[in-house]
Amino acid sequence: DAGITQSPRYKITETGRQVTLMCHQTWSHSYMFWYRQDLGHGLRLIYYSAAADITDKGEVPDGYVVSRSKTENFPLTLESATRSQTSVYFCASSDRNQPQHFGDGTRLSIL
Amino acid sequence: EDQVTQSPEALRLQEGESSSLNCSYTVSGLRGLFWYRQDPGKGPEFLFTLYSAGEEKEKERLKATLTKKESFLHITAPKPEDSATYLCAVQASREETSGSRLTFGEGTQLTVNP
Repeated sequence: DAGITQSPRYKITETGRQVTLMCHQTWSHSYMFWYRQDLGHGLRLIYYSAAADITDKGEVPDGYVVSRSKTENFPLTLESATRSQTSVYFCASSDRNQPQHFGDGTRLSIL
Repeated sequence: EDQVTQSPEALRLQEGESSSLNCSYTVSGLRGLFWYRQDPGKGPEFLFTLYSAGEEKEKERLKATLTKKESFLHITAPKPEDSATYLCAVQASREETSGSRLTFGEGTQLTVNP
């Protein structure tokens, strides 16, 4: 089915570990985005990508790394997880100046 | 810096009781204002885009309007299935040729009781 899928849906890990969240879209959208959603802050942009091999920082990029070697995939890596990175992470995609469409999120808990 | 403020934070309505949600924004040149609906455990679902003051969009019981400083989401005769969090976001004109980024408000959590 066409759409945007995130995996895993739930993840529990420990501080200091590396964890990668996956995002895959089948629309061939040029833009992809990573957000985190926390109570009291709403959705905040972590990183975004305008095309394969083009990425840029958003509002809260510290502690995160992204890559985009293929148009359809946009993984987000926490290189050394901290408790403050416990959150719900959403991936989105869009064509330029079109509405963003979101996945159903990954709920990440860091103990 | 672009800012979006939504009010109220939470709203409880009886089925059939119409009301409005507010989204106030500050942006250096508005390219578009977006409304999304978010159900628990799900990602935001796109509802509307508004581009200029005076514009209105409708979908079933929802109608979105836009002025130069704020947007309203009017809910007419709501049903329990309209219960969700409604998010507002803005895209600045400078994003048209750069990143297509959005700035989101924190949302209004709507509960419609039968």
